[in-house]
Formats: sequence, C-alpha cells, structure tokens
Amino acid sequence: GAGVSQTPSNKVTEKGKYVELRCDPISGHTALYWYRQSLGQGPEFLIYFQGTGAADDSGLPNDRFFAVRPEGSVSTLKIQRTERGDSAVYLCASSPDRSTYNEQFFGPGTRLTVL
Amino acid sequence: KQEVTQIPAALSVPEGENLVLNCSFTDSAIYNLQWFRQDPGKGLTSLLLIQSSQREQTSGRLNASLDKSSGRSTLYIAASQPGDSATYLCAVGGEDRDDKIIFGKGTRLHILP
Repeated sequence: GAGVSQTPSNKVTEKGKYVELRCDPISGHTALYWYRQSLGQGPEFLIYFQGTGAADDSGLPNDRFFAVRPEGSVSTLKIQRTERGDSAVYLCASSPDRSTYNEQFFGPGTRLTVL
Repeated sequence: KQEVTQIPAALSVPEGENLVLNCSFTDSAIYNLQWFRQDPGKGLTSLLLIQSSQREQTSGRLNASLDKSSGRSTLYIAASQPGDSATYLCAVGGEDRDDKIIFGKGTRLHILP
C-alpha cells in the first residue's frame, strides 16, 4: 500500500483482557514507531524498531505492554491485562531509517477503549 | 528534558482570516521541527518540516517559521477556509540521531463558515 495502515481502526475491550494492535508500515521503511495519544494530548513515544529489533522501548509504560516485529515489516503492539487508563489512540509511524532527521509517516491509528 | 508548548489550545476564527499558531520548546538543541495536521479520528499528516539551519518553509497557504535560539516556531495560515479545521501539532527532533520526536498538545482550530 501507499501508506501506513493499522488494524483494527477501533477496538473495544473489557478491563483485564488481552489485545493486539497491528501496524503495516510503508514498504521498505526500516524504522517503525509506536505512539500513544490520549484525549487532548499530543502523541507520546512508546517504542521504536530498527528492523526486527526493539532499539528503544523506554516509552512503554509498564511490563503489560510489549511489541514485536519478527520479520522487520509488520509490527504488533500487545497489551496484557488491559486497564481503563490504557484507553487512547495508538499510532504507528514508519520512516526510511532510524533518525529524527527523517520525516515519519503516520497511520490512521487504532482507537482502544477499555470498559 | 524537552518540553513543547502550543498556544492557544483552541482557536475559532471566521473564514477568510489569516491566523498564527504558536509553538515553543524549552531546549534549543533541535535538529528539526515539524508541523502536523490531525483530523478527528485520523492519523497525522505532515505539513511542513523545517531543518534547524532554516528560518522558514512554505507550502501553499501555509508558512512555518523557526527561531531556534528563542525556542519558537509559528505556523501562519493565510485566507483560512472551513477545510482547515483540524488539530495542528508541533513536534521537535533533537540533535542526537537517537533522540525521540517530542510533540506538543496541539491547537484545535475551527474555521467558521
């Protein structure tokens, strides 16, 4: 595809459940980023991948959050034992390589609601 | 720690007016600054990217300026249209290649027909 895609677009779950959010980056982009955007806030960095490895996961709020990118393309953000405070829009972005020098291209996001 | 502030948080103006959105950042050691547009329920669309060595960038009715030493950027929108209604986000990238991009909270703009 031409841009970054994310599925699902919306996810409603109950407190305590496990969820997976998927990101398909632009083909050929080696850098992939996950952000979380709460209502009325700007996006906050969660984790960055360069290729298959998580090069920087310092933004993950706690060990309930985990992300993988096994083949260096599609990435999945996994949240265990969801809490109401996890409700937010989760944005994915990709870039040709790892650097703030390069423009990041964002997907439409997944809106997660934890009841 | 870099902090990015955007003022105002929300703005409503009649169609046709020119307007300015403001962004300030606490650490002037940035490599670039980017302005994004976000429509409700959508992702971010990059509008303008200014490298730290540049003073401004223009695209159509949009003009973004950067004063790195004072930690400020402005986004100027000329002849506003209802279709410009959206949230505008400012984001800065640090000088270190491994620095994260830091976003402001955005300005919610509403253009009145």
